[in-house]
Amino acid sequence: GAVVSQHPSRVICKSGTSVKIECRSLDFQATTMFWYRQFPKQSLMLMATSNEGSKATYEQGVEKDKFLINHASLTLSTLTVTSAHPEDSSFYICSAREALSTTPQHFGDGTRLSIL
Amino acid sequence: AQSVTQPDIHITVSEGASLELRCNYSYGATPYLFWYVQSPGQGLQLLLKYFSGDTLVQGIKGFEAEFKRSQSSFNLRKPSVHWSDAAEYFCAVAANFGNEKLTFGTGTRLTIIP
Repeated sequence: GAVVSQHPSRVICKSGTSVKIECRSLDFQATTMFWYRQFPKQSLMLMATSNEGSKATYEQGVEKDKFLINHASLTLSTLTVTSAHPEDSSFYICSAREALSTTPQHFGDGTRLSIL
Repeated sequence: AQSVTQPDIHITVSEGASLELRCNYSYGATPYLFWYVQSPGQGLQLLLKYFSGDTLVQGIKGFEAEFKRSQSSFNLRKPSVHWSDAAEYFCAVAANFGNEKLTFGTGTRLTIIP
């Protein structure tokens, strides 16, 4: 089946650091990728929709300058948390949809981001 | 805008017992409905989905769900749970298939006791 790889699975860094998270579709082409954020014991909140070759669409309340999204190819989208602070600590999950397919989104295993 | 309500935050079931997880949605047109399962520290796995047609849909791991338009519900069921079913379960709705921006419920944590 379709596999989405997310890397790194866990990252711990100091406040002020920028952190890049990669989301790759391993065996299919993904025209659309989604980035979610999940706080402990809460649901997933959509942050942005990433379309290959165009600017990402951010949900209301999500700072686009804080969370930079790049979808440069049909198999890779990246989320960069710039100048991260402790309040950015969270579980970030990406998902990808196959182009020209009736199958729903495939999710990565998530990235646990901890800012000290 | 669509929304999803999962009334039960936490459910505890004995192994071998039947299970029903509730999900109610709000959307003006015919929704696209999904159930996902999440194990601790991991991503989401799709259990089943409903787009159209037969209102009783079968999924993986022995799960099924029934779409009831009159009740705006899409409850998840399993006749006999296994200890490995312990996880967080999320119901989600999408307005259309082309974009498929998902709105998730708050989740139901399932605990299985021996």
